Parts: sequence; C-alpha cells; structure tokens
Amino acid sequence: GENVEQHPSTLSVQEGDSAVIKCTYSDSASNYFPWYKQELGKRPQLIIDIRSNVGEKKDQRIAVTLNKTAKHFSLHITETQPEDSAVYFCAASEAGSYQLTFGKGTKLSVIP
Amino acid sequence: EAGVTQSPTHLIKTRGQQVTLRCSPISGHTSVYWYQQALGLGLQFLLWYDEGEERNRGNFPPRFSGRQFPNYSSELNVNALELEDSALYLCASSWDRGTDTQYFGPGTRLTVL
Repeated sequence: GENVEQHPSTLSVQEGDSAVIKCTYSDSASNYFPWYKQELGKRPQLIIDIRSNVGEKKDQRIAVTLNKTAKHFSLHITETQPEDSAVYFCAASEAGSYQLTFGKGTKLSVIP
Repeated sequence: EAGVTQSPTHLIKTRGQQVTLRCSPISGHTSVYWYQQALGLGLQFLLWYDEGEERNRGNFPPRFSGRQFPNYSSELNVNALELEDSALYLCASSWDRGTDTQYFGPGTRLTVL
C-alpha cells in the first residue's frame, strides 16, 4: 500500500518568512495530493490540492509543487502570518481507491 | 451549505464497552470515510462507505465496523474498547466515487479509561 513520509515534523519561522513542508510517497499510481491545515481542536481543512497531471498550483500565498519522477510534493507558504500556525498534513490517493494516506503532520509555528 | 457533522463531541467509556459514533455528510455527498487520529500518529484510514456499501477498510481489527444508511449518514461502531482506542475519530465526505476531495467533520473525541 501507499506510504507517505512528511518532513519536518516541526517548523518555526518568523512572521513574513516563507515555510516549506515536503512529502514523499511510495506508490507511483497515486495521482491526487491534498494538503490539510488543522488548527488546535478543529477539523482538518483542505487548503490546496494537486493532481498528477499538473506540476504546480498556486492559491494566493500558498503553492504546491509535484515531482512525479521523484515521487515528492511540497507545500510552500509565503509571507507567513501568525494565523498560519497550525498542523499541516499532506496526503496521497491512488487512482480508483479514493482512500487518502496521510503523512504524520508538520507543526508550523509562526513567530510574530 | 452545512458541513459534515458528527456526534457526540466527546465520549468517555471504559475498557470492554462498546461505542457508536455518528456522521452526517454534506448534502449531496454519497461517500463517507472514517479516520482515527491518535496522538502523534496522524490520520489513519478506517473505513469507506459509498452508496450504502463498505468499499474499503484500513488495517484495523474487525471490532471496528460501521454502516451507511439510505440518507448517506453513517455510524462507526467499536466493540470491546481498548485503552489504545482513545483518539479523535474523524468523518469525511465526498461527492461520489469519482471525486477524491474529502471534507472533514469536527470529530468525536473518545477517551477509554
């Protein structure tokens, strides 16, 4: 089955700096890669996703890149703000399974 | 549009007891997924229901089971509770089997004493 590794497990950045979180996946058949943000005590919220036919996707300060050859994808947050502080999860889904395999999460702290 | 809802919010049980958790998907969504989020372990896939049938299950023992009703709501049942079952149980829904995007509910916090 699919295995998703996520790094780093914790990340501290100064407000205004950029943050990058990286994930690798094992199953070359995976074709859907969402990112979720989970604030303390709240539900995971989908913030951006990418499919395997696209190399990069951007939504305001958030971008995701995908390298299918290397089987890794990354979340980039620019101009970080204190409200970006949360745990971020990457996930991968194999075509036809509709089952998400999650990374273990990255706790991002944005220091004002 | 109302989001995914779950009940109850919190639950405290003792070892050996049984528990039922409930989930209502977003209106129009037919697929429901259950995940376990134990401390420090991320989200682990439990079960997937679509159109009333169990489509897939994760690496969990048979005492974890569930069902989906004709209105697409779902129940997760856990029998013979163990201490390590203490976790946040999250439900997610999506439009149908042709769509990957899943939207999560707020979860049910289960504590087993």
